[in-house]
Amino acid sequence: DAKTTQPPSMDCAEGRAANLPCNHSTISGNEYVYWYRQIHSQGPQYIIHGLKNNETNEMASLIITEDRKSSTLILPHATLRDTAVYYCIVRVAMGAQKLVFGQGTRLTINP
Amino acid sequence: ETGVTQTPRHLVMGMTNKKSLKCEQHLGHNAMYWYKQSAKKPLELMFVYSLEERVENNSVPSRFSPECPNSSHLFLHLHTLQPEDSALYLCASSQRTGVFTYEQYFGPGTRLTVT
Repeated sequence: DAKTTQPPSMDCAEGRAANLPCNHSTISGNEYVYWYRQIHSQGPQYIIHGLKNNETNEMASLIITEDRKSSTLILPHATLRDTAVYYCIVRVAMGAQKLVFGQGTRLTINP
Repeated sequence: ETGVTQTPRHLVMGMTNKKSLKCEQHLGHNAMYWYKQSAKKPLELMFVYSLEERVENNSVPSRFSPECPNSSHLFLHLHTLQPEDSALYLCASSQRTGVFTYEQYFGPGTRLTVT
């Protein structure tokens, strides 16, 4: 699976949009971009995933660049409960069953 | 109960003890996973079970022994652990349909302390 690079930490004001970047310049054509988050001392939580097109669900939006070498997770109206470590993972959907977690981005939402 | 549950949530054991961690998923999934998260380190995959068959073992020491009696339950049997095995142990499940494996759903974890 391709390696990802994320900033170690970010801050965002409550109520504003939080934009979390991820670089995956070695991504292959059949690899998806997945985002998970982990609130302190809890299990990781799936957020969203995509292949080429931008995706949106009730939690977040995922914007993938046209060359697929980077992506941005957007939390449109961040709340204090969004404070967590956010992980960007790229992996194939076919067959592969393991997630390789990096260090992620520690997002702090400030009141 | 919904989602993925793990018991116990906290466990303290001596190096000569034998204990087991339990995971149960209520999502109808057919693949289950054990991960380890040590302090200040990324999550590490330990074992993968797909359709109750172990399909991956990430060079885990034999003092950790997984068991998957059915698609809803996963155990991690522990014996003769070392203090460096103290960590958060996380269970996850996902659905595998044909060659596709979908997103994983995690339990809350068991915080293990080995004294």
